Amino acid sequence: DAGITQSPRHKVTETGTPVTLRCHQTENHRYMYWYRQDPGHGLRLIHYSYGVKDTDKGEVSDGYSVSRSKTEDFLLTLESATSSQTSVYFCAIAQGGFTDTQYFGPGTRLTVL
Amino acid sequence: GQQVMQIPQYQHVQEGEDFTTYCNSSTTLSNIQWYKQRPGGHPVFLIQLVKSGEVKKQKRLTFQFGEAKKNSSLHITATQTTDVGTYFCAGKGNTDKLIFGTGTRLQVFP
Repeated sequence: DAGITQSPRHKVTETGTPVTLRCHQTENHRYMYWYRQDPGHGLRLIHYSYGVKDTDKGEVSDGYSVSRSKTEDFLLTLESATSSQTSVYFCAIAQGGFTDTQYFGPGTRLTVL
Repeated sequence: GQQVMQIPQYQHVQEGEDFTTYCNSSTTLSNIQWYKQRPGGHPVFLIQLVKSGEVKKQKRLTFQFGEAKKNSSLHITATQTTDVGTYFCAGKGNTDKLIFGTGTRLQVFP
């Protein structure tokens, strides 16, 4: 498996609280992605990064922000968590963008009460 | 916007039977990727197809990319219990991003 870790692996939080999920890679890949996975929807792209400080929105970016200050770390922040953001969040990395193989992290299960 | 649908949503088969999942896009794709996710795990890349009509094989798995580059299929011959999981296709179309299909969950009974 590619060197990708996500933290925390599980989190339970309350509506209205801020939450930050971390993705860390040791592969020095340029591209990093955040997806959410929900039953019946597959994987949906939240945000992605194509370099340090370079990020862009995906298809379900509302309510989420990201930051990438170092090549190896990509943070996903829920400014004020809502119950609709209960999901499993996967980070992925790729060397060459959307036509390249994506390697996924182990996932973070987030529950918003 | 671009949509990628997969059918069926679920498939239960007896071990040894064949299995096929179909992936259909609303727009022409420049590439199609296939991933497998074991229960409780993360998606793992299987293969990428880029040419119209392309067919690739990996042991018991056969992948096809349609002539019009709007559909794809994954066929597993003689399923085994190790094939259990959810299979996702993902394609890059006019949005310039990779869009994942809804997935097909395969259950194999011994």
